[in-house]
Amino acid sequence: NAGVTQTPKFRVLKTGQSMTLLCAQDMNHEYMYWYRQDPGMGLRLIHYSVGEGTTAKGEVPDGYNVSRLKKQNFLLGLESAAPSQTSVYFCASSSTSGQYFGPGTRLLVL
Amino acid sequence: GESVGLHLPTLSVQEGDNSIINCAYSNSASDYFIWYKQESGKGPQFIIDIRSNMDKRQGQRVTVLLNKTVKHLSLQIAATQPGDSAVYFCAENNLSGGSARQLTFGSGTQLTVLP
Repeated sequence: NAGVTQTPKFRVLKTGQSMTLLCAQDMNHEYMYWYRQDPGMGLRLIHYSVGEGTTAKGEVPDGYNVSRLKKQNFLLGLESAAPSQTSVYFCASSSTSGQYFGPGTRLLVL
Repeated sequence: GESVGLHLPTLSVQEGDNSIINCAYSNSASDYFIWYKQESGKGPQFIIDIRSNMDKRQGQRVTVLLNKTVKHLSLQIAATQPGDSAVYFCAENNLSGGSARQLTFGSGTQLTVLP
């Protein structure tokens, strides 16, 4: 049981490039989330999903898109990366209550 | 322009002492609370949770206290160890409100355990 995993662990992008972050969970959780964490700040919700095939916007959705084609996977896409998207991205999943987090993806946009 | 850095509240304790980390929450409708621990370079790790129908819950070396009157949450760590050094976040949710279990996170407290 690996819990929540994220790919890649670290990535450097140039402004304007695109990329997709992958989150996978093996706990059969219905709910999945993408957060970003910036220095000295708490986690801010980007997008979330309440089940396969459904997604919704969180607190800071602009510049990101998501897809939940399979229950166990939640993808976060950056179509045209900007330096303001330099951050650490965390995925989480939950069932009845608490959320369980992945190890994070560090993204640097130059 | 010049950017202003955000500084986490910090707490330094001697190894072996008890630690108390505090959190004020804002939503009076919140009915579920969680404490997370985040070590450097890692994702947040679930420590303990409490529902609003309780005012105290104990785990292994940790106790969470909830005061709904003043909307205050605290995490007590007994006999603090070097491995407890981390950033601790509280999070709140309104489970009964149908909010897709969205958590609202505090900004965190940096706990440093001194030898």
